[in-house]
Parts: sequence; structure tokens; C-alpha cells
Amino acid sequence: EDKVVQSPLSLVVHEGDTVTLNCSYEVTNFRSLLWYKQEKKAPTFLFMLTSSGIEKKSGRLSSILDKKELSSILNITATQTGDSAIYLCAVGDAGNNRKLIWGLGTSLGVNP
Amino acid sequence: DTAVSQTPKYLVTQMGNDKSIKCEQNLGHDTMYWYKQDSKKFLKIMFSYNNKELIINETVPNRFSPKSPDKAHLNLHINSLELGDSAVYFCASSQMTRLLFFGPGTRLTVL
Repeated sequence: EDKVVQSPLSLVVHEGDTVTLNCSYEVTNFRSLLWYKQEKKAPTFLFMLTSSGIEKKSGRLSSILDKKELSSILNITATQTGDSAIYLCAVGDAGNNRKLIWGLGTSLGVNP
Repeated sequence: DTAVSQTPKYLVTQMGNDKSIKCEQNLGHDTMYWYKQDSKKFLKIMFSYNNKELIINETVPNRFSPKSPDKAHLNLHINSLELGDSAVYFCASSQMTRLLFFGPGTRLTVL
């Protein structure tokens, strides 16, 4: 059965810390891996990764995919209280049914 | 301009009632989805329509019925509401890349 596992489930850090969130997957026909951030409302898109070893960067956030290890990491440097959110990882299969397999998310709290 | 919109944002109703949630997207996407997010924040797909055709129909009670009058709209009708239906329901849309754009969510509370 296809699955996506995120770790840790929950994390609390101090402002200025650097955090690394993990996402591992077991998907029969991998197509893409997506990271989303969810605060109080709907998930908002962060990154889409399809190729192994190519880092995607947006400000203090970066992510990279390792297809050999079947995993991805999301790094946040110099964390701020506004980074507090649930970070969701989803993997798209290569089939035609457009289904995404979602992880349970990592709840990140950043204390001032 | 709102990309994916849902109405209503909040819905409080009694057990046994029938209710509908509407969703519209103006992104020109060909696929729309309904997701349910429970109190533990787990996102679970319910349905997906591609060009008005049902392509994903997960194991949900048949009290839930999606309707897609056209590519830009996907509505969710729920019959005989139960306490366990309380959740946040997200509509989303995507094109070929599977990059989902989510609506703001509808928080359903069944009393």
C-alpha cells in the first residue's frame, strides 16, 4: 500500500533555530513530491520536487528530494514565529487518477 | 481575484439535516477535488472530478454525493448529517502537474 510518513510529528523550537523536516514515501509509481504549509486556513503550496538532488529554495526555506532514499527534507533556517504551522508532504503517483498520497504532517511551533 | 472559492465558510447544523457546500475555481483547471480534514489535521481525499467525470471516489458513505455541473464547479451534498461528519472540508483544483490549489475550507459542525 502506498504511504507517506513524515517526521517528527511535532516540534517546538526557538526563534532563530534551524529545523529539518522529513518526508519518506513508499509509492509504486512516483511522479512528484509536494510540500505545503498550513496555518489556520487552507494549505498553501511551498515546493514541488520531481528530480533527485536539485535543491529548491524560497527565502529561508529549501527542500531537496532523494529518490534513492525515497525521501525529502524541508529546511527552514533562522526560524520566525510566523513559521509556526503544520507542514504537509504529499506524493503524486504517475497514474492517471491524479491522486496525491498525504502524510500526517509535522506540527512546528516557533517560540519567541 | 479568488482562485478557488467555497461557500459557506462555516456551517452549523443539526444531525439528520441535508446540506450542500459549493466550490468554484477560476484557474481553468481540469480537475477538482473534495478533501476532508479531521480534528487531527489529516487530509483525506473524498472525490475527484476531471472534466466533469468522477475519477476518484474513495470509501466515503453514500450520504456524500458530489456534483460537477461544469469544469469550474464541484459541489458536495451531504444527506442525513451525523456527528462524525464534523470536520473542515476543502475543495481544491489542479491541472496536469497535480499541484493543488486549495479553497479556504468549510468548517462543518454537526450538533
